[in-house]
Amino acid sequence: QQQVRQSPQSLTVWEGETAILNCSYEDSTFDYFPWYWQFPRESPALLIAIRPVSNKKEDGRFTIFFNKREKKLSLHITDSQPGDSATYFCAASGGTQVVGQLTFGRGTRLQVYA
Amino acid sequence: NSKVIQTPRYLVKGQGQKAKMRCIPEKGHPVVFWYQQNKNNEFKFLINFQNQEVLQQIDMTEKRFSAECPSNSPCSLEIQSSEAGDSALYLCASSLIRGHSDYTFGSGTRLLVI
Repeated sequence: QQQVRQSPQSLTVWEGETAILNCSYEDSTFDYFPWYWQFPRESPALLIAIRPVSNKKEDGRFTIFFNKREKKLSLHITDSQPGDSATYFCAASGGTQVVGQLTFGRGTRLQVYA
Repeated sequence: NSKVIQTPRYLVKGQGQKAKMRCIPEKGHPVVFWYQQNKNNEFKFLINFQNQEVLQQIDMTEKRFSAECPSNSPCSLEIQSSEAGDSALYLCASSLIRGHSDYTFGSGTRLLVI
C-alpha cells in the first residue's frame, strides 16, 4: 500500500501559469513533508518543506498548502518557468517509520513550455 | 554542489558481479542513509547508520547487500551478486541529528547490471 500518493503523474503548463501538484498520505502520524525536485540525470534536491503545525509554507514562487484533516497537501508553482521542468517528489517522515526515514511518492513530471 | 560526495557516478556490472559504491557524508554528519531509486521512481530505504553503527536495514539489504561506515573512511554499499533488478540510482544522504529528515542527497551512483 502506497503511503504517499501524488497526482497527476504528469503535468504540462505554459510559461507564466500556475502549476498545482497534489499529494496525499496515509499515516496521520507523519510530521514532516518535504518536496524534492529532480532534473534528468541528477539526484533529488530539497525544494521546500512543511510541518503540520502550519497549513502554508511559501518560498518565492513555491507554496505548499497543507490540509491535516484530509491528509492532503499541494505544491503551487506560480509564474512557472521552463527551468521548473522537472520531476517533483512529495515525501513524508515521522510516525511509525525508521527514525528519519523518508517515504516518497512516485512523482509528478512537470513540463513548462515557453 | 552537494556536500555529500558519492562515487562512482556510473557503475556497470555483469550479473553475479560485485558492485561497490561509496559515500562521504557532509562533514560532521554522523547519520547516513542509503536509498534506491528505480526506473519507476520508487524510492526504497536500504539502511542507515549513526557513526559506525547500523540503525536499521531492510531484509533485502541483509541478504545480498552489505554496507558499512568505518571511522575516517567513506561509507560504502556493496551488492555481493548483482542482479538485473538492482539497476537503479543509489542515493546517499547524511544528517546532523538522528531523526531529522531534512537531509541532502549526494549526486548518486547509477548502477546498470547487464
